[in-house]
Amino acid sequence: RKEVEQDPGPFNVPEGATVAFNCTYSNSASQSFFWYRQDCRKEPKLLMSVYSSGNEDGRFTAQLNRASQYISLLIRDSKLSDSATYLCVVNGGGYQKVTFGTGTKLQVIP
Amino acid sequence: DVKVTQSSRYLVKRTGEKVFLECVQDMDHENMFWYRQDPGLGLRLIYFSYDVKMKEKGDIPEGYSVSREKKERFSLILESASTNQTSMYLCASRKGLADIYEQYFGPGTRLTVT
Repeated sequence: RKEVEQDPGPFNVPEGATVAFNCTYSNSASQSFFWYRQDCRKEPKLLMSVYSSGNEDGRFTAQLNRASQYISLLIRDSKLSDSATYLCVVNGGGYQKVTFGTGTKLQVIP
Repeated sequence: DVKVTQSSRYLVKRTGEKVFLECVQDMDHENMFWYRQDPGLGLRLIYFSYDVKMKEKGDIPEGYSVSREKKERFSLILESASTNQTSMYLCASRKGLADIYEQYFGPGTRLTVT
């Protein structure tokens, strides 16, 4: 089993739709979690951190489920500009345990 | 704003050449990382450094070495470039020693080895 797994997609959704991605992780000792966004041929950029209590930033909501070992990202009212690849990042404690998922591609269509 | 810069956006080298990729960050971050990103494989950690002159191997260090002589600069060296090292190389920096902080990435260097 991979340490961090994401559905690669692509998720093709119409503008205005709500879409959700999950990311599962195998290391129960993982300490911190993030969602990054990566546009085509660009570097990843932090979208949001994921806290135990959940985290909301405008149209974006991130949640952590430690019991089932997954994090989720919900995007409401999708915009064309949300089209990108979304990477989850799991920090397992210790510098070397920074693990990126392979990303989920989102395409928002008019 | 944190700024991470990389010396080249695109690089073409021949098999067997020694290749230097430079990364500079301007926010006094302790940790710096080198990744490569390949389709379907995601980002894979090559090396990281948590202080000047300190380095640790990541998941795929073979064929690479690194140098960190100054806090702001982290260099990746391909001792003898091979075609399977054709990839996108991303440098990142992170504040502090705890992993609660996010990483900031440079724009990447797309390396082609022919």
